[in-house]
Amino acid sequence: DTAVSQTPKYLVTQMGNDKSIKCEQNLGHDTMYWYKQDSKKFLKIMFSYNNKELIINETVPNRFSPKSPDKAHLNLHINSLELGDSAVYFCASSPEPGLYGYTFGSGTRLTVV
Amino acid sequence: GNSVTQMEGPVTLSEEAFLTINCTYTATGYPSLFWYVQYPGEGLQLLLKATKADDKGSNKGFEATYRKETTSFHLEKGSVQVSDSAVYFCALVSGGSYIPTFGRGTSLIVHP
Repeated sequence: DTAVSQTPKYLVTQMGNDKSIKCEQNLGHDTMYWYKQDSKKFLKIMFSYNNKELIINETVPNRFSPKSPDKAHLNLHINSLELGDSAVYFCASSPEPGLYGYTFGSGTRLTVV
Repeated sequence: GNSVTQMEGPVTLSEEAFLTINCTYTATGYPSLFWYVQYPGEGLQLLLKATKADDKGSNKGFEATYRKETTSFHLEKGSVQVSDSAVYFCALVSGGSYIPTFGRGTSLIVHP
């Protein structure tokens, strides 16, 4: 059983398209996150939800919109994709906000052409 | 604000060599410190952690000691294996902030 699962694993799409990445965790954690990792491996937090409530919303273009239908799911929708959005996006979860007990998904590699 | 500085990679070693990856930090309050490892094509996994000064975190032969006087948390391993090839991230959480701070990662390549 995968603890934090993301779909799709790979996503290739054209500029201007709208796409979604889905994340689900079966750990019973209250907090979920989206991170962006660029080509140089730099990891930047984008959003965090705790019990379906948004608690972290870093400086991210408003083309990115997270949605948490329940505390086991956190999806990321991206409108009007740009070349600079190409990266690996990681979902993660933890029992509560912070770095304790973080579990990461295996990532979604997004390529915008 | 908080920051984490790691040595630039890649670090290239032969099997059974001694490993040190340097990590220094600045933080408000008393941070908790972490090392994460990312194997190719995977997400980050917690390797070890330390929550107060002089604590030593250890796991899978890796160790790191929380040094408040030098604001450092260097990662060490006495004898690396090819399977240790990965990217290693130093990170901290501090001051009641929900937002973790990650270093830029250090790539380790171990040759047979």
